[in-house]
Amino acid sequence: KAGVTQTPRYLIKTRGQQVTLSCSPISGHRSVSWYQQTPGQGLQFLFEYFSETQRNKGNFPGRFSGRQFSNSRSEMNVSTLELGDSALYLCASRYSGQGFEQYFGPGTRLTVT
Amino acid sequence: KQEVTQIPAALSVPEGENLVLNCSFTDSAIYNLQWFRQDPGKGLTSLLLIQSSQREQTSGRLNASLDKSSGRSTLYIAASQPGDSATYLCAVRDSGGYQKVTFGIGTKLQVIP
Repeated sequence: KAGVTQTPRYLIKTRGQQVTLSCSPISGHRSVSWYQQTPGQGLQFLFEYFSETQRNKGNFPGRFSGRQFSNSRSEMNVSTLELGDSALYLCASRYSGQGFEQYFGPGTRLTVT
Repeated sequence: KQEVTQIPAALSVPEGENLVLNCSFTDSAIYNLQWFRQDPGKGLTSLLLIQSSQREQTSGRLNASLDKSSGRSTLYIAASQPGDSATYLCAVRDSGGYQKVTFGIGTKLQVIP
């Protein structure tokens, strides 16, 4: 079974631009979560989607948004990029139940200049 | 608000040594706890998932225990190998509200041949 895939793997943007990251979960997984990882803050939860509905949201500004499609694929968008948005963005999928473990993709490394 | 602490932040051991990594959390109302490893610049690999009703889980040379009442989990690695060198993270899923996931900052392990 294929793992979680994320595209693109690397991205360089300038301040003020916007960016869209994509995540394809493991087949059969309906829950997708997004995380931001930086050296100073570690892994921080952004949001979680289940069956196209945002179920949970972390403490990030409204510039960070996401959505999930009917095939469970998810996209994350960051508008008006700031230097501090430079990070590794990780996507994780899991089966529907809360008791199931998360499986992570390789991440998208975003650099904002 | 759930807080997750991992001690030590870094650890260097000679090959073959048994070692213990610690994870503590402030709110014992958890659904489960998951241990991951992360290689530099890569995504997270799931190691073990412990449900709140369980005391421990084992996989190969790894054993994770959970003491929910004291807010602690340990990851025991037997007969460490250089390939075990990575950052180890624990993640706690709350049982209340929206069941958010909180990560520790991780323990960076180096196993010296």
